[in-house]
Amino acid sequence: DTEVTQTPKHLVMGMTNKKSLKCEQHMGHRAMYWYKQKAKKPPELMFVYSYEKLSINESVPSRFSPECPNSSLLNLHLHALQPEDSALYLCASSRAVADTQYFGPGTRLTVL
Amino acid sequence: QKEVEQNSGPLSVPEGAIASLNCTYSDRGSQSFFWYRQYSGKSPELIMFIYSNGDKEDGRFTAQLNKASQYVSLLIRDSQPSDSATYLCASSRDTGNQFYFGTGTSLTVIP
Repeated sequence: DTEVTQTPKHLVMGMTNKKSLKCEQHMGHRAMYWYKQKAKKPPELMFVYSYEKLSINESVPSRFSPECPNSSLLNLHLHALQPEDSALYLCASSRAVADTQYFGPGTRLTVL
Repeated sequence: QKEVEQNSGPLSVPEGAIASLNCTYSDRGSQSFFWYRQYSGKSPELIMFIYSNGDKEDGRFTAQLNKASQYVSLLIRDSQPSDSATYLCASSRDTGNQFYFGTGTSLTVIP
């Protein structure tokens, strides 16, 4: 089983809203990732968690706040986003960092 | 210079032909290489990974790795319209926990 799940599938929010994206995997993977992808562009790495600790933060604005409550769950808390933050947000997991990554279906985020 | 370079395309091939997708990488320390397929509006889906020099075959797909030339390719035999997608090449190295994506190549298979 190589399934990564993400909720919600779609999210529309205003610039003053607070919302969260959720990601879950039950493959026993110890690395989890958040990516942002704009149309016709490759995924851009945002955060990497390894053994529930934040190991890579690619200088992402503080309006994005990751959280890893346990080895199976990864959240991305959103607050005061801008319209340019509208994108497909992808979660991925791997056995270890730099190992094969498996992606969830993504959350399509629209910021009004 | 990007760590992983791909020709963005678009690449068009007729149905039944062989599609050849190419990728070069700059980090000689890269150890593993991956090909992902991404349909429009969907998430990347792993097709193959390769660690060793040479060819690796899986059904209609063959990945080729040449570490001396820092070159990775993906061949798709008997291309089908359903193969039309963007193909992302990626590399990784254990030291420094690095994982890099290329910009992707758009493939269209014409019926």
